[in-house]
Amino acid sequence: EDQVTQSPEALRLQEGESSSLNCSYTVSGLRGLFWYRQDPGKGPEFLFTLYSAGEEKEKERLKATLTKKESFLHITAPKPEDSATYLCAVQEWTGANNLFFGTGTRLTVIP
Amino acid sequence: GAGVSQTPSNKVTEKGKYVELRCDPISGHTALYWYRQSLGQGPEFLIYFQGTGAADDSGLPNDRFFAVRPEGSVSTLKIQRTERGDSAVYLCASSSDQNTEAFFGQGTRLTVV
Repeated sequence: EDQVTQSPEALRLQEGESSSLNCSYTVSGLRGLFWYRQDPGKGPEFLFTLYSAGEEKEKERLKATLTKKESFLHITAPKPEDSATYLCAVQEWTGANNLFFGTGTRLTVIP
Repeated sequence: GAGVSQTPSNKVTEKGKYVELRCDPISGHTALYWYRQSLGQGPEFLIYFQGTGAADDSGLPNDRFFAVRPEGSVSTLKIQRTERGDSAVYLCASSSDQNTEAFFGQGTRLTVV
């Protein structure tokens, strides 16, 4: 059975204090690993898709990396507007085309 | 439209009643997904449509839940005999095909009292 574990559950950072969020996964065959951002009362907003170990993608202050067992979302010099819940999800090659989500990391960036 | 649209934004219903939740996907997107999200949890898969047909409904919790997409665009999630445990945010997502990223709507918050 697919498993996605995100840590930490919650993270408070000072503005400008860089850190990383972790997503550990277990799937029979990884088709893709997805990162989404979710603001309160909103639907998840797509950030990145990673397909193979060693792949990296960047967008503004965010960089996502992937290994065979986990993914990291690195946040460099965060700003208060980066405060949100960050969700990780996996899609496997066999079976359903749906995404299997973790429970998310709730990030708060303090000015 | 510009994004995935879900109506209503909020729905309060009495236990035992029937509800319908609507999803308008991004124009041209053939794949459509329904998820359910409880407080503090990640979205949980319910059903996936490719075109008009339900390609995978393995996430529907029981036979009170049903979804349709008759013309391959708008989808309706139907819940019969609602229970308090059905209270959650119901999210719809669409993608251009099954291999690309899915874009989510803002969700419908369902409260069963």
